[in-house]
Amino acid sequence: QVQLQESGPGLVKPSETLSLTCSVSGGSISGYFCNWIRQPPGKGLEWIGYINDSGYTNYNPTLKSRVSISVDASKNQFSLKLASVTAADAAVYYCARGGFNYYDSTLDYWGQGILVTVSS
Amino acid sequence: QSVLTQPPSASGTPGQRVTISCSGSSSNIGRNIVSWYQQLPGAAPKLLIYNNNQRPSGVRDRFSGSKSGTSASLAISGLQSEDEADYYCAAWDDSLNGLVVFGGGTKLTVL
Repeated sequence: QVQLQESGPGLVKPSETLSLTCSVSGGSISGYFCNWIRQPPGKGLEWIGYINDSGYTNYNPTLKSRVSISVDASKNQFSLKLASVTAADAAVYYCARGGFNYYDSTLDYWGQGILVTVSS
Repeated sequence: QSVLTQPPSASGTPGQRVTISCSGSSSNIGRNIVSWYQQLPGAAPKLLIYNNNQRPSGVRDRFSGSKSGTSASLAISGLQSEDEADYYCAAWDDSLNGLVVFGGGTKLTVL
């Protein structure tokens, strides 16, 4: 059974960089698009972006100037960096495995999510 | 404001059939596949429907999806109390460089 687990600081100061890692077990990320999604408290889902094992990335235009997603296929992990955070970036951050195609919205396995608070 | 439009709430009594709509445009639902997600309180979203109408292994056949033109629907038959959750539709949008877009979510209440 494929499992994903987010890790990283749960508290980030305003203007600093949020850094999270997603570790995948029970299956390889090879060939799949690996996604980050966030959900502010009490609100809906927002797609942040994805990466495949070749390093091809695509980001939500609203976050593109601040986002970077990287992959370490040898460790079966992928990571998220979001720069210059503000209170509006406080959310539960999820990693999720996508499909084989760049245009596929199917996210078949999700991590449990990690709550990130932005506060000094 | 979400790119895909869902009703904020829906409700039904046990045993009833409920439908949740998802309206989009030619740049998303009109030309790409739709997926649906169920989010139980305090939990991560779970894939419910993919490729417009396919159910992953383990998802009950009480859940079904359909798509027509620029809209999609999720139907839940034989409603049960355990179905009370938030439901989200999603699709790829071809705008700009492309992105995954979600509906705003529908909170389903089982009365």
